[in-house]
Amino acid sequence: TQLLEQSPQFLSIQEGENLTVYCNSSSVFSSLQWYRQEPGEGPVLLVTVVTGGEVKKLKRLTFQFGDARKDSSLHITAAQPGDTGLYLCAGESGAGSYQLTFGKGTKLSVIP
Amino acid sequence: GAGVSQSPSNKVTEKGKDVELRCDPISGHTALYWYRQSLGQGLEFLIYFQGNSAPDKSGLPSDRFSAERTGGSVSTLTIQRTQQEDSAVYLCASSLGSGWVEAFFGQGTRLTVV
Repeated sequence: TQLLEQSPQFLSIQEGENLTVYCNSSSVFSSLQWYRQEPGEGPVLLVTVVTGGEVKKLKRLTFQFGDARKDSSLHITAAQPGDTGLYLCAGESGAGSYQLTFGKGTKLSVIP
Repeated sequence: GAGVSQSPSNKVTEKGKDVELRCDPISGHTALYWYRQSLGQGLEFLIYFQGNSAPDKSGLPSDRFSAERTGGSVSTLTIQRTQQEDSAVYLCASSLGSGWVEAFFGQGTRLTVV
C-alpha cells in the first residue's frame, strides 16, 4: 500500500507570513496532485506535477516535485485569509493506473 | 451540468437501514471514483470505474458496500445495513480517463448513521 505523509497536520499563521507544506512517501509516483478543500465542499485541483524536480507556480503558490518523484512541497508566499483550507496531496502510482492515493491533509488557518 | 453533482447533500439514517448515494459525473469523463472522508482522516479510496471495464472494488470496506455505474454515466453507491462507523462524507470524482489523473470532485454526501 502506498502511503503519503503530509506535514504539518495543522498550521495557523498570521496574514502575510510564508509557509511550506510537505508531502512525503517511500513510493515513486508518476504524477502528484495538490488539492484544496473548504468546509462542506469537495477537493479542488490546484496543480499536477509529473516530472522529477519540476517546479510550478500558481500566483503566490509554488509547487515542487522531488527529483525522485517521492515527495512534494507546497510553498505559499504572503498568505492571505482566503488561503485557509485543507490542503491535500495525491499521488498516482503509475501511468494508466488511474488510482489516486491521498494524504491526510494539512489544515491551514490564516489569521487576519 | 458543468461539474460533478452528488445527491443528497446530507443523509441521516437509522442504524440497520440501507442508503443509496448518487453521483452524476462531468459529461464525457470515463473515469469515476468514490472516496470516503472521515473526520481527521484523508480520503479513503472505495471504488473506481473506467469506461466499460470491470470496476476496481478493492477499497470497499465490507460486502455491505456496493456500487454500480449505469450507461457509463451516473453512479450509485449503496450501503446496506448501515452501521455508525459508516458515518462520513462520501465523495465522488470523475476524470477524463486518459493521460494523468486530474480528478474533479462533487461536494460530497454527508452520511450520519444514528
